[in-house]
Amino acid sequence: GQNIDQPTEMTATEGAIVQINCTYQTSGFNGLFWYQQHAGEAPTFLSYNVLDGLEEKGRFSSFLSRSKGYSYLLLKELQMKDSASYLCAGLDSNYQLIWGAGTKLIIKP
Amino acid sequence: IAGITQAPTSQILAAGRRMTLRCTQDMRHNAMYWYRQDLGLGLRLIHYSNTAGTTGKGEVPDGYSVSRANTDDFPLTLASAVPSQTSVYFCASSPRDGSYNEQFFGPGTRLTVL
Repeated sequence: GQNIDQPTEMTATEGAIVQINCTYQTSGFNGLFWYQQHAGEAPTFLSYNVLDGLEEKGRFSSFLSRSKGYSYLLLKELQMKDSASYLCAGLDSNYQLIWGAGTKLIIKP
Repeated sequence: IAGITQAPTSQILAAGRRMTLRCTQDMRHNAMYWYRQDLGLGLRLIHYSNTAGTTGKGEVPDGYSVSRANTDDFPLTLASAVPSQTSVYFCASSPRDGSYNEQFFGPGTRLTVL
């Protein structure tokens, strides 16, 4: 079956670094997405990885290991506005996204 | 219009009533999707359309139908609403043109079935 696992909730301090992990099992694999979703809003795209390694985009970085079925999202210099849910999604062989339940990130001052 | 719009923003519906959720995009994307999002669960795909004139069933299609008469519009119909269809519904689109198929989401419709 297809499955995406990520922690339900994490707490971090403003200015710190946090890593949100995601493990995936999909029928075929065409990439791994991370989306951000603020409460009451739509998901918005953060990153896409299809090759192994780290992709850096400002304060956010995303890592993929295809052999381990593993990804993480790294957020640096945390700001209060980063409080949101972070959704991990795998793109399967039919180019459909399989979504995790999301990780709610709480930032404390 | 810029991006994807959905209507209505929210709706309270009596069980047994018919309801159509509207979705329109102006990005000329080939593919469109309907998801529902429930607390504690990931986004679940209801129906999708890879191109105008075609539709397919997702993970949770029962009780829902869709049509794709043109590129821009992708309405979702609940023929006879039931309380378990209370959810937030998101419409999304993606180019599906050989690129990595990032999906763009509409603002969502919050539906309550009583």
